[in-house]
Amino acid sequence: DAGITQSPRYKITETGRQVTLMCHQTWSHSYMFWYRQDLGHGLRLIYYSAAADITDKGEVPDGYVVSRSKTENFPLTLESATRSQTSVYFCASSPRTGSTGFGPQHFGDGTRLSIL
Amino acid sequence: DAKTTQPPSMDCAEGRAANLPCNHSTISGNEYVYWYRQIHSQGPQYIIHGLKNNETNEMASLIITEDRKSSTLILPHATLRDTAVYYCIVRAGSGAGSYQLTFGKGTKLSVIP
Repeated sequence: DAGITQSPRYKITETGRQVTLMCHQTWSHSYMFWYRQDLGHGLRLIYYSAAADITDKGEVPDGYVVSRSKTENFPLTLESATRSQTSVYFCASSPRTGSTGFGPQHFGDGTRLSIL
Repeated sequence: DAKTTQPPSMDCAEGRAANLPCNHSTISGNEYVYWYRQIHSQGPQYIIHGLKNNETNEMASLIITEDRKSSTLILPHATLRDTAVYYCIVRAGSGAGSYQLTFGKGTKLSVIP
């Protein structure tokens, strides 16, 4: 089925470990986004990408790395996980509209990450 | 981004129309009004968006006042599955800062049997 899928849905790891969250979309949307959701903070943008090989920082990028070698994939890596990165992570994608705009963002179901 | 104000919670009887208000008095001319909802433990779901004119799709209707300072999301026949937190978001269509959706606290809609 077409859509946006995130994997894994749940992940438990230890501080200092590297962990990668996967995001795959089948719509061929140009834009992709990573958010984290924490109680009391709502959703906060970590990184976004306007196209393959083009990424940029959002509101809270520290401690995260992204890449986008293919349009459909946008993995998020925590190079050395910390307890403060325990959160629910959402990936989203959006089509390009016009020359610089983009349409509604469509979200995956999230990855619940716990760092012990 | 312009800020939005929504009531923290609302109840609606099943089968009735749910009318969710949103104030966005500082909205700029190139900013759209977006509505999303989040059902517990799921990702946010896009509902509808508009710039100036009223909009309708299979999920809902969006009514924007003529001065664009407020809007109302209408779910015409609420069901129990519409119980969720609804977010009203103002976002520029393009340019710097348009890439981030700023989710506030939203309105928790409870549909009552």
